[in-house]
Amino acid sequence: QVTLTESGPALVKPTQTLTLTCAFSGFSLTTSGMRVSWIRQPPGKALEWLARIDWDDDKFYRTSLRTRLSISKDPSKNQVVLKMTNMDPVDTATYYCARIPDSWGQGTLVTVSS
Amino acid sequence: DIQLTQSPSSLSASVGDRVTITCQASHDIAHYLNWYQQKPGKAPKLLIYDASNLEPGVPSRFTAGGSGTQFSFTITSLQSEDFATYFCQQYDNLPLTFGPGTKVEVK
Repeated sequence: QVTLTESGPALVKPTQTLTLTCAFSGFSLTTSGMRVSWIRQPPGKALEWLARIDWDDDKFYRTSLRTRLSISKDPSKNQVVLKMTNMDPVDTATYYCARIPDSWGQGTLVTVSS
Repeated sequence: DIQLTQSPSSLSASVGDRVTITCQASHDIAHYLNWYQQKPGKAPKLLIYDASNLEPGVPSRFTAGGSGTQFSFTITSLQSEDFATYFCQQYDNLPLTFGPGTKVEVK
């Protein structure tokens, strides 16, 4: 059974860096073809894909956020970490990690406010 | 980026109704489209993959089809647990993009 669980701060201040961790089980990111993405959903709005890391350590980012995002993995811990710098109130959203399309975490709400 | 538009943005229906949602892509995405259900406060749940394939464990009242730029999703007989938001997602190209969603509400 595949599970993913996001963790991180519920509240960050503007200009701070957000660090989110995705702990997963049921698959290995060392297996060919495995990928983990981060997606966010502002309250009442559509889903927005942010970044993806692949089994071979290829990394892909949303172009508009490329300079603010960093994704990494620790296969030994079955974890993927997303960092987003210079947080702004418009970044307030529920952040999901997922092995698209079939397995998603429950999401973690991050509020950006001073 | 490939844009996905959905129609309608919301609809009101009754249990037993047939409900159809459409998803249009801004570029040809072949069959690289998924459909999800999302309930408030919950993660998206995959219903359909590769445009028309039912995810194991998903009831057969959910069907979908299409290719290229035009796709459709149908609930053949709406059940009480189906009141939710549905959205499409393309994976032909990065960035992965999602439709804005269709909220299915109680009539």
